[in-house]
Amino acid sequence: QITLKESGPALVKPKETLTLTCTHSGFHFGTSGVAVGWVRQPPGKALEWLALIFWDGDERYNPSLTDRLSISKDSSKKQVVLRLTDMESADTGTYFCAHLNWYDSTGTHHRFFDAWGQGARVTVSS
Amino acid sequence: QTVVTQEPSVSVSPGGTVTLTCGLTSGSDASDYYPSWYQQTPGRPPRTLIYNINFRSSGVPDRFSGSVVGNKAALTITGAQADDEGDYFCVLHLGRDTSFVFGPGTTVTVL
Repeated sequence: QITLKESGPALVKPKETLTLTCTHSGFHFGTSGVAVGWVRQPPGKALEWLALIFWDGDERYNPSLTDRLSISKDSSKKQVVLRLTDMESADTGTYFCAHLNWYDSTGTHHRFFDAWGQGARVTVSS
Repeated sequence: QTVVTQEPSVSVSPGGTVTLTCGLTSGSDASDYYPSWYQQTPGRPPRTLIYNINFRSSGVPDRFSGSVVGNKAALTITGAQADDEGDYFCVLHLGRDTSFVFGPGTTVTVL
């Protein structure tokens, strides 16, 4: 069973850098086809995809936020870390990490998030 | 910039059937982009319902089904129940570089 849990500060000041950690279990980044992503949701608004990191270390970012985002993984700690610089009020919301099903053991391609963390609420305020 | 479209809100009677759609402002066929569907209720993380157009995620009741309607991906709820109320988001994978784009969501009301 795949589980993910987000952790990080609940309150961040404007201009600061947000660092969120996703601690996971039930899969290994050494396995081909594994990927983890981050998705956020401002209060009362839609979900927004932020970033992905693949088993091979490849990274992908939302084009509208690429200058402010970075994602990394520590396979030994089973953690994925997201950093978002220059925080502003529009970045307030709940941040989810999610396991991405990229392809399965039969080689069938998939492109969907099949497991989600509970989310971490982040407020940007001075 | 390609945008994903969804109905803002729909309502359905208990036991009724409702279809939500997911399209692209470019007019391209959404079914080409691995559409997946997620249900979300207030204060909860998304729940994966459907992937690759019409495959149900593990544990999802068969009253939820995915299909293609014209050039749009579709999610149908057959025999709607009160706990089907919530927001439903579709997601399209537009390519390894562009990656994922979420739709604005459809709020489903059962009344």
